[in-house]
Amino acid sequence: TQLLEQSPQFLSIQEGENLTVYCNSSSVFSSLQWYRQEPGEGPVLLVTVVTGGEVKKLKRLTFQFGDARKDSSLHITAAQPGDTGLYLCAVASYNTDKLIFGTGTRLQVFP
Amino acid sequence: DTEVTQTPKHLVMGMTNKKSLKCEQHMGHRAMYWYKQKAKKPPELMFVYSYEKLSINESVPSRFSPECPNSSLLNLHLHALQPEDSALYLCASSPLTGRLYNEQFFGPGTRLTVL
Repeated sequence: TQLLEQSPQFLSIQEGENLTVYCNSSSVFSSLQWYRQEPGEGPVLLVTVVTGGEVKKLKRLTFQFGDARKDSSLHITAAQPGDTGLYLCAVASYNTDKLIFGTGTRLQVFP
Repeated sequence: DTEVTQTPKHLVMGMTNKKSLKCEQHMGHRAMYWYKQKAKKPPELMFVYSYEKLSINESVPSRFSPECPNSSLLNLHLHALQPEDSALYLCASSPLTGRLYNEQFFGPGTRLTVL
């Protein structure tokens, strides 16, 4: 059983459309991160959310941490081909130096 | 300098070869990581070094041997690999300012092909 389940697994959309990616768990976390990995590159940290109910915006990307701190969402407005990549949520392990990744969402945005 | 560099970018090796992957960061981070990533999957943790000491080995086969010569460098020595070891190998670093966040900075990876 995966600690962090992401949905959908794969999303293929046209430029200009909106989309939402979800990261769900039955566990409570002190913080949660979102990374984006473009083809052939390493993951890049987009945001860290810490407070339940917190909303953070990064240009066309809106991140929300659930009130109970068990889940998070990433909403992209007016998607562009440059948004194409693998989106990963991740949480820090409580008592080790590990980072636990979600199952991932592959996004393809066509011109 | 806010990046993690990895060399080489691509590596093709035979099953009897010995090769090394290198990773470098100059952000003063005290934790460094090796991950293995198969196509369309999240990264899988292999090793963690904290303050230049190996703190986590995720039951990785001994044909993979990590080394941390100093706080800026991380190597992964490869010997007698199998074709199923072909993958993208990612290095990452973290400031280790407490385990609350563990925000990691990744290198671009080494694409390894084992023939």
